[in-house]
Amino acid sequence: DTAVSQTPKYLVTQMGNDKSIKCEQNLGHDTMYWYKQDSKKFLKIMFSYNNKELIINETVPNRFSPKSPDKAHLNLHINSLELGDSAVYFCASSLTGANYGYTFGSGTRLTVV
Amino acid sequence: GQSLEQPSEVTAVEGAIVQINCTYQTSGFYGLSWYQQHDGGAPTFLSYNALDGLEETGRFSSFLSRSDSYGYLLLQELQMKDSASYFCAVTNAGNMLTFGGGTRLMVKP
Repeated sequence: DTAVSQTPKYLVTQMGNDKSIKCEQNLGHDTMYWYKQDSKKFLKIMFSYNNKELIINETVPNRFSPKSPDKAHLNLHINSLELGDSAVYFCASSLTGANYGYTFGSGTRLTVV
Repeated sequence: GQSLEQPSEVTAVEGAIVQINCTYQTSGFYGLSWYQQHDGGAPTFLSYNALDGLEETGRFSSFLSRSDSYGYLLLQELQMKDSASYFCAVTNAGNMLTFGGGTRLMVKP
């Protein structure tokens, strides 16, 4: 019944590795997002994607790339991980025109060592 | 650019009323939302204001003044479970949310 599910919940990896976080939504929403929440709890948009358009926050390093096999999935791939990438990453989805907000996944806590 | 300002921390007692303010500067404003996040949890949607005025949902109300670029979240009859972080967020073109830094609410007995 989970609306927005992301895996894994925890990810510990070494600097320089490449990793992916998966996200799936079963709400029929048309737009999906990735947010990064840092240690001070600041939520920063990374990507917004629907079946027509990818919007990238220009401050996101190009080591980060979203991959969407279909409109129910938006995975996040990260190359050459750095210590500063350690954070909680949230996937979210929404329906264009609806006013009930985003639905967030439970988050992936990434720790780079 | 866009910026949102909200207090970093608010403390109140159980049963009281608390107001969390949010001021914003943005281009292409569509609406102001509020989200609640408990420690270790995901942000959850509370309310959305596209027009000026007050929206009420149970113990929570949210207010927007577009001319003042200002809104607030009002929590009544505070309960211990309301202890959490509260984020205001603006919706701009492309339906993207930009969040404020969050207000940590501590409810004391």
